[in-house]
Amino acid sequence: DQQVKQNSPSLSVQEGRISILNCDYTNSMFDYFLWYKKYPAEGPTFLISISSIKDKNEDGRFTVFLNKSAKHLSLHIVPSQPGDSAVYFCAATVGGTSYGKLTFGQGTILTVHP
Amino acid sequence: EPEVTQTPSHQVTQMGQEVILRCVPISNHLYFYWYRQILGQKVEFLVSFYNNEISEKSEIFDDQFSVERPDGSNFTLKIRSTKLEDSAMYFCASSVNGVSGANVLTFGAGSRLTVL
Repeated sequence: DQQVKQNSPSLSVQEGRISILNCDYTNSMFDYFLWYKKYPAEGPTFLISISSIKDKNEDGRFTVFLNKSAKHLSLHIVPSQPGDSAVYFCAATVGGTSYGKLTFGQGTILTVHP
Repeated sequence: EPEVTQTPSHQVTQMGQEVILRCVPISNHLYFYWYRQILGQKVEFLVSFYNNEISEKSEIFDDQFSVERPDGSNFTLKIRSTKLEDSAMYFCASSVNGVSGANVLTFGAGSRLTVL
């Protein structure tokens, strides 16, 4: 199942700089996208989401951009902090019919160096 | 902050044995889910549950799997006869809403199942 893909397994960034995590999808039925963060020994934690009717959603240091024509979304973290080091999952769903069925990407391990 | 609680955190079992994984969802949530992550692979949807019945299930969720809400607080996943390929981290999740794109799932920390 390659409907949601995160092509970068890992990303290393210096503290204070911008982290950009990317995600591509193939299913044009997806109309809601979410980012989850996961620390070791914990479950995924919701970070930020975006509806397909928007192209940007911002929440503090986190901004998600959606390019529907390219079927691409990205998560920007500015400024990055060492506590942001975690696995970041992109997920997509079909609102209204999916009953909470999220399709996840493989995840990107973000490491923020002090 | 309210959280989803899962037990056990790790279970080791022999192939062919039955396993029950337990979850206590957040108290005011109405929708419940099970996901799993095989080591090195994606987090995969298994099943969603609302109003005491399955709302949706994936092709992974075959006759060996069942879910139940035996009382007002617990939500369980049963695997009747475990196979080696059932070894995975199983995540329980819950949400207030179900049929909405803005449906934010809260996940538990997971139960690691190892089938020998």
